[in-house]
Amino acid sequence: NAGVTQTPKFRVLKTGQSMTLLCAQDMNHEYMYWYRQDPGMGLRLIHYSVGEGTTAKGEVPDGYNVSRLKKQNFLLGLESAAPSQTSVYFCASTTLGDSSGGANVLTFGAGSRLTVL
Amino acid sequence: GQNIDQPTEMTATEGAIVQINCTYQTSGFNGLFWYQQHAGEAPTFLSYNVLDGLEEKGRFSSFLSRSKGYSYLLLKELQMKDSASYLCAVLDSNYQLIWGAGTKLIIKP
Repeated sequence: NAGVTQTPKFRVLKTGQSMTLLCAQDMNHEYMYWYRQDPGMGLRLIHYSVGEGTTAKGEVPDGYNVSRLKKQNFLLGLESAAPSQTSVYFCASTTLGDSSGGANVLTFGAGSRLTVL
Repeated sequence: GQNIDQPTEMTATEGAIVQINCTYQTSGFNGLFWYQQHAGEAPTFLSYNVLDGLEEKGRFSSFLSRSKGYSYLLLKELQMKDSASYLCAVLDSNYQLIWGAGTKLIIKP
């Protein structure tokens, strides 16, 4: 049981280049998320998905696009990378909590460190 | 706006007890989470509080006061492996997680 797997783990881009980060989970989770983590700041939600074929914007969606064509995969794309997108990106997934207040605990991937020069 | 405050860094001694505080101002409240994140690794779940009071789980305990917008994470019998960042996060009225910047805990021998 691998949990949440992110690829690649490290990437260096030049300004204007494009790339895709792949997130794969094998826990049959409905919800998937892409966050970025920057020094001195909390995790910030970029985009999320509540199910196959659906995506929604989070707190900081500009400059990113996502797709969820299969339930187990959530892709994050950067069409034209900018130095401000230098960050560590985390994918996370969870399943629905119960109505009595069960915690929707997030399972995170190991992170993808992206540097844009 | 929504805001979660935690101390940036704390230092404690191996074997001692440390309390990490978290205060929050959010639009609604549907629970508070604590996650642990070792340097260069992913956050991992520690605890969840939705009702007032103390939740104990081994060496770790988490307390919540909804009326005060306040939580703390208590770590007992500190071990070197507890050196990590501790992230506080609140589930708001839209069931979106709002994250604090994290508290870096340094354990000294």
